[in-house]
Amino acid sequence: ETGVTQSPTHLIKTRGQQVTLRCSSQSGHNTVSWYQQALGQGPQFIFQYYREEENGRGNFPPRFSGLQFPNYSSELNVNALELDDSALYLCASSPTGNTEAFFGQGTRLTVV
Amino acid sequence: GQQVMQIPQYQHVQEGEDFTTYCNSSTTLSNIQWYKQRPGGHPVFLIQLVKSGEVKKQKRLTFQFGEAKKNSSLHITATQTTDVGTYFCAGSDAGGTSYGKLTFGQGTILTVHP
Repeated sequence: ETGVTQSPTHLIKTRGQQVTLRCSSQSGHNTVSWYQQALGQGPQFIFQYYREEENGRGNFPPRFSGLQFPNYSSELNVNALELDDSALYLCASSPTGNTEAFFGQGTRLTVV
Repeated sequence: GQQVMQIPQYQHVQEGEDFTTYCNSSTTLSNIQWYKQRPGGHPVFLIQLVKSGEVKKQKRLTFQFGEAKKNSSLHITATQTTDVGTYFCAGSDAGGTSYGKLTFGQGTILTVHP
């Protein structure tokens, strides 16, 4: 186990709704990254937080937003859910921004 | 933007046979990482390569980073049923501004027949 925990593990939402996913990083890790993994695809980088500031963003629209808290845990918020947002959302923590990423077990989001 | 391509997409082998997956980036990488994801699981870090031409071994796994730092390979010798899963390479862009952003390949799904 990596020590990175995500909640919830599974979630079903209706199109147009909003969702918040949570991640507790591994102890001592101050960098958290979020990835979206569609079925049969590799994870796609959404954004990264370092010391509570956004530190890079992938090609995702503004309705994907996030937060990092003083204890380095993080949230991913998605507004106006679309069917294509159905995916496994992975959180990964790192001790710095450019070393290996330790992934949580993910949140499986289904939008209906 | 940076693209990372991986081949093959699927590989079926008999237990005991060797397996290789290849990774190519459209841009020069600062480092490349390899991950394994079991069915229904999450990516698990295997290794990171940083230096041009670097070769690292982990038991039956051999990882290589190309001289130009744009390609990499993972070779498994004498596969076992426990090797089943999807193997991803993930690169960090040497010229990028997103420190630590990983661009993943689409993965190679390995099936091992006993």
